[in-house]
Amino acid sequence: DTEVTQTPKHLVMGMTNKKSLKCEQHMGHRAMYWYKQKAKKPPELMFVYSYEKLSINESVPSRFSPECPNSSLLNLHLHALQPEDSALYLCASRSVTTNEKLFFGSGTQLSVL
Amino acid sequence: GEDVEQSLFLSVREGDSSVINCTYTDSSSTYLYWYKQEPGAGLQLLTYIFSNMDMKQDQRLTVLLNKKDKHLSLRIADTQTGDSAIYFCALGGTGGFKTIFGAGTRLFVKA
Repeated sequence: DTEVTQTPKHLVMGMTNKKSLKCEQHMGHRAMYWYKQKAKKPPELMFVYSYEKLSINESVPSRFSPECPNSSLLNLHLHALQPEDSALYLCASRSVTTNEKLFFGSGTQLSVL
Repeated sequence: GEDVEQSLFLSVREGDSSVINCTYTDSSSTYLYWYKQEPGAGLQLLTYIFSNMDMKQDQRLTVLLNKKDKHLSLRIADTQTGDSAIYFCALGGTGGFKTIFGAGTRLFVKA
C-alpha cells in the first residue's frame, strides 16, 4: 500500500465553523506533513511531525491545529478560518531513515465562506 | 535560503520531446526530484536523481544534472496529451525535513 488517503476531498465551511481534515498512511512512514497550496503556486509547508511529535511549525496561525494521534494518522483541526485560507491542503509522508521522497495524498479542497 | 527557479509555461505538440528546466542556488541537496501534479490532485513523484549522478533515464523520462551550473532538466520523450500537468522541481536531503519546491512549470500538450 503506497497511498496517502485524505478525507474529505472537498470542504466548504463558514468562518465560525470547526472542522477537521484527516490523513492516513500505512507505509510505516514516521514523518508526516501538512502543506497548503494556492492555485498555480507550489505547496507551502505548514507542519511536520516526526515520530508523532511536532518537529516543524512554519509560523502557522493558531486557527490551524495539527494532531498526530498515532504513526498512521494525521489531523488538521480548523477553527475560525478566514476566506484567504481557502486552498488545497495536502498531506504527505516519508520515511525518516531512507530516501527522502515524499508521498502525497490527493488533497482536500477547502473553501471558506 | 535555497532558491529554485523554473520557467512557468511550456507548450509542445504531441509526439515531440519536452524539456523542463530548473536552476537552484544551494548545492548541498542530496536528492533532486521531479514531481507531477494534475488538476485537482496531489503531487506524484515522477523521478529523482542523486547529487553524485549526471544523468538518469527511466522509460520516457531523462533527468540531466549539471552541478557546475546548478541546472536540472527533465526531458519527456514522445510527449502525450496525458503528460499535460504542472511539473515541480524540488530539492531535498540536506539532513532536515524540508523539501524546497520550484514554482512549477505548466506543460501544455497540443494534439
